[in-house]
Amino acid sequence: GAGVSQSPSNKVTEKGKDVELRCDPISGHTALYWYRQSLGQGLEFLIYFQGNSAPDKSGLPSDRFSAERTGGSVSTLTIQRTQQEDSAVYLCASTSTSSYNEQFFGPGTRLTVL
Amino acid sequence: AQTVTQSQPEMSVQEAETVTLSCTYDTSESNYYLFWYKQPPSRQMILVIRQEAYKQQNATENRFSVNFQKAAKSFSLKISDSQLGDTAMYFCAFMSWGAQKLVFGQGTRLTINP
Repeated sequence: GAGVSQSPSNKVTEKGKDVELRCDPISGHTALYWYRQSLGQGLEFLIYFQGNSAPDKSGLPSDRFSAERTGGSVSTLTIQRTQQEDSAVYLCASTSTSSYNEQFFGPGTRLTVL
Repeated sequence: AQTVTQSQPEMSVQEAETVTLSCTYDTSESNYYLFWYKQPPSRQMILVIRQEAYKQQNATENRFSVNFQKAAKSFSLKISDSQLGDTAMYFCAFMSWGAQKLVFGQGTRLTINP
């Protein structure tokens, strides 16, 4: 079946602009995660959605970052007023209750802020 | 907060050799999960192997096995009969029981030479 997909694959933007990154999880997966992978910080958790529960936003680095998940499926990560330190690969993952805690990752979006 | 440490930033071995990647973690919890993920140049994170902390038996998946030492908080990955396709970044990751989010180590870049 189809895996986790993310779009765009690459995004180049200018400092101060807003960007939206999209994640399509595996069909039927109830949990969705966003992680950030950067040279300086490694792989870090950003936000977690589980069904209709309130998301765990504890990893979001600032109030410029937000995410939503519509209809329990597609998720959008929005970064407002981008800064150069936001440059990173943003990874999305999903999982189901039957997958024994294995998170299935998408290919990521490489964001470059000029 | 949990931390995961991978002390080998880079490793290189010849094809068909056996290689062991190290990982240590810090937690005060008794129930948790440990994972090794592989990230090839395509950026797609792939689960290699997982270990539940309550299981004393070390997990194995074909050529991949772990040495889980709970008291020492150590979780090393052994790759036997290494293949060119094993070339990738390898990340050790920790997940608390019920917490869902992964805490990653800094990664080990493994190169298999022909």
